[in-house]
Amino acid sequence: DIQMTQSPSSLSASVGDRVTITCRSSQTISSYLNWYQQKPGKAPKILIYAASSLQSGVPSRFSGSGSGTDFTLTISSLQPEDFATYYCQQSYRTAGTFGQGTKVEIK
Amino acid sequence: EVQLVQSGAEVKKPGESLKISCKGSGYSFATYWIAWVRQMPGKDLEWMGIIYPGDSDTIYSPSFQGQVTISADKSTNTAYLQWSSLKASDSAVYFCARRRPDTNGFYFYLDSWGQGTLVTVSS
Repeated sequence: DIQMTQSPSSLSASVGDRVTITCRSSQTISSYLNWYQQKPGKAPKILIYAASSLQSGVPSRFSGSGSGTDFTLTISSLQPEDFATYYCQQSYRTAGTFGQGTKVEIK
Repeated sequence: EVQLVQSGAEVKKPGESLKISCKGSGYSFATYWIAWVRQMPGKDLEWMGIIYPGDSDTIYSPSFQGQVTISADKSTNTAYLQWSSLKASDSAVYFCARRRPDTNGFYFYLDSWGQGTLVTVSS
């Protein structure tokens, strides 16, 4: 199993802040890394795939970077609707695994 | 429009069996892998396993191998997740999701999700 480790597990930020979440894989996964957003009581939603490709319809304030074992999700200017939990997920193997999530809360 | 519609919430007793479903529409169901994901109350997402409905090829996460059975019926565009003997620790929301390739067919991600099925196991 490929283990995915996110940090931080939670953070508090204000509207307009720049937010960065990191994800590390236990082995190299090239760019096989996706990012999802989940709001309470809802299914997750894909934001970024292939480490840096923005899913259609997702605001451009979201961006992803990295390859190999270290990856980053950045929200350039946090908006009220962005308060949620974010998960990374490796797709290097057909059996994917998720990180433990990062909860973004209002400061 | 691609849709995955899951069966409704279930309340069961420990030791009982259960089969929940995920019905796809708006695309060629047989040609996309369907993943199952568990989310225990207040916890993170856990990958359980994935099935290719076209030939029922199935890959389980080691943590769930032998604990659940994933199946699919391509004639009815439906994937299933079942337990033979539920435990209280199986109480969770279960999501199904479609795994799709990017336009180059090289990278994969979960693009469409069911609404989730809440399973409560309590005596």
